[in-house]
Amino acid sequence: DTGVSQNPRHKITKRGQNVTFRCDPISEHNRLYWYRQTLGQGPEFLTYFQNEAQLEKSRLLSDRFSAERPKGSFSTLEIQRTEQGDSAMYLCASSGTGSSSYNEQFFGPGTRLTVL
Amino acid sequence: QKEVEQNSGPLSVPEGAIASLNCTYSDRGSQSFFWYRQYSGKSPELIMFIYSNGDKEDGRFTAQLNKASQYVSLLIRDSQPSDSATYLCAVNRDYGQNFVFGPGTRLSVLP
Repeated sequence: DTGVSQNPRHKITKRGQNVTFRCDPISEHNRLYWYRQTLGQGPEFLTYFQNEAQLEKSRLLSDRFSAERPKGSFSTLEIQRTEQGDSAMYLCASSGTGSSSYNEQFFGPGTRLTVL
Repeated sequence: QKEVEQNSGPLSVPEGAIASLNCTYSDRGSQSFFWYRQYSGKSPELIMFIYSNGDKEDGRFTAQLNKASQYVSLLIRDSQPSDSATYLCAVNRDYGQNFVFGPGTRLSVLP
């Protein structure tokens, strides 16, 4: 399977705990995005990497959230001191660059976080 | 005004009919426009994208873009029950950066 993969698929945690999610993009893609989606809403942008550089971060993203992409391949998203409002589906997407690319983004299956 | 707006639905159409899904956006600098399909509990799946005014066809799907009216639509011909899903409109303001998604329109195709 050469699509975007995410782990874990589900995570249940208690309020105040830290959680970390992993995303492996499509291998030839150099752009990687994190989104959050709650029920009945479209995905909401969190942050974006081109290779290992984090180029954009939503101003809605609190400092409890941090993301890395250390070697320009996989990425991790960490949420510290989780709150019940963090419960959502966390989606990762990747895209390639090049003259023929209009930035089509391909999504992974998501990680569903439940904070108790 | 939200950046990307869609009717939440549900939009119900009979099997074999044409489903018409609409999306408006507020940023005139938007460059490219994407339609995703999302089944319940699953992640968004890219259907097609458009970046020039006019129509773009791909199988049973046609995307239509009118930048002057800041309007993009998706037509699904010969709708099937398997097309029942939420359809998300996404707007890319400039190449290579994040998408702004609408809330999605729920489509129900009745057999």
